[in-house]
Amino acid sequence: EAGVAQSPRYKIIEKRQSVAFWCNPISGHATLYWYQQILGQGPKLLIQFQNNGVVDDSQLPKDRFSAERLKGVDSTLKIQPAKLEDSAVYLCASSSIAGSYEQYFGPGTRLTVT
Amino acid sequence: DAKTTQPNSMESNEEEPVHLPCNHSTISGTDYIHWYRQLPSQGPEYVIHGLTSNVNNRMASLAIAEDRKSSTLILHRATLRDAAVYYCILRDRLELIFGQGTELSVKP
Repeated sequence: EAGVAQSPRYKIIEKRQSVAFWCNPISGHATLYWYQQILGQGPKLLIQFQNNGVVDDSQLPKDRFSAERLKGVDSTLKIQPAKLEDSAVYLCASSSIAGSYEQYFGPGTRLTVT
Repeated sequence: DAKTTQPNSMESNEEEPVHLPCNHSTISGTDYIHWYRQLPSQGPEYVIHGLTSNVNNRMASLAIAEDRKSSTLILHRATLRDAAVYYCILRDRLELIFGQGTELSVKP
């Protein structure tokens, strides 16, 4: 079974630029999550999708972050404009159903904002 | 949100058992205890979870105190590949809320 795919693996941008991350969940998984992991901390949930609808985006900084999951499969997370404090690893995870005890994580995208 | 407390770091010798503690004194009756681990440069991976009874799987064992205010993740024979950050999580509704975790180092 193929795992969660993410791209790119690494990205370096200057502040005020925009960036987008892509995630392809495990086939058939209805629930998709985006997390932000700042160095030395545990992952923090940004947004959760159930199929193509948003379940929880309470911790997403909506003035600069946006996410979509068209057709209920792939998802894109965008930051525009980026700030220095956005430097982090952005992790995508999926699970077969909402509330499932097991989430499957991708390898993450490491973003550096200079 | 229910919180957990874990030591920042622990050290183990290869091929010896490892007991990773977690305190969760404010746990509610419906909170499941989850453990995930994160190897260097990888996303977290599920290890084990439980509610009240001790649990075993191919990766580890989970021992839950009778009052559920603490739990222990047991790796029966640590290998170098087990070096990772281990997160003890009380599942809050649909979310996993990660804390700082315990960084486990394994010495050959």
